[in-house]
Amino acid sequence: TQLLEQSPQFLSIQEGENLTVYCNSSSVFSSLQWYRQEPGEGPVLLVTVVTGGEVKKLKRLTFQFGDARKDSSLHITAAQPGDTGLYLCAGNNNDMRFGAGTRLTVKP
Amino acid sequence: KAGVTQTPRYLIKTRGQQVTLSCSPISGHRSVSWYQQTPGQGLQFLFEYFSETQRNKGNFPGRFSGRQFSNSRSEMNVSTLELGDSALYLCASSLAGTGGFVTGELFFGEGSRLTVL
Repeated sequence: TQLLEQSPQFLSIQEGENLTVYCNSSSVFSSLQWYRQEPGEGPVLLVTVVTGGEVKKLKRLTFQFGDARKDSSLHITAAQPGDTGLYLCAGNNNDMRFGAGTRLTVKP
Repeated sequence: KAGVTQTPRYLIKTRGQQVTLSCSPISGHRSVSWYQQTPGQGLQFLFEYFSETQRNKGNFPGRFSGRQFSNSRSEMNVSTLELGDSALYLCASSLAGTGGFVTGELFFGEGSRLTVL
């Protein structure tokens, strides 16, 4: 059983569309991170959120940490083919535990 | 600044053999974490080492072990390989590790892809 559940598992959309992916848990985390992994490479950090209710924006990406610090969402506006990759959330609870990821494909 | 280096990148073993994977962290980073990545399970936490001491351990059998040297380089070993051990093994280094209130950035290597036949 995954400590962090990510949904959807797979997402295929056209360039220009918006999307939201989710990361849910029954555990409370002191902080949560989002990573993106491209084929043949290790995951790369996108953002760290710490405070319940926190919203962080990174260009077209908006990250939100739930009020209870148990869940998070990632919203991408006007997706581009360069956004294609595996999006992983990771919660800090004495060690970093990852979800299984959302595999996003953005078609031109 | 050099990134995290993992060797070997690819290897093929047969059931029952053992394997040792190596990870050189970013210079100055004292924490090294290991993860197993498979398509169905995502990244599963194996263990974390900080200053040569194992600080945390995931839910893996005793066949999986690791160590960290005084220069922060780390190795993990898997004995008596099983088909289910086929996976991408990722190593991540960080300055302070993951035990604090806020985790710093984990810097990942490209991984060692192990195939067990």
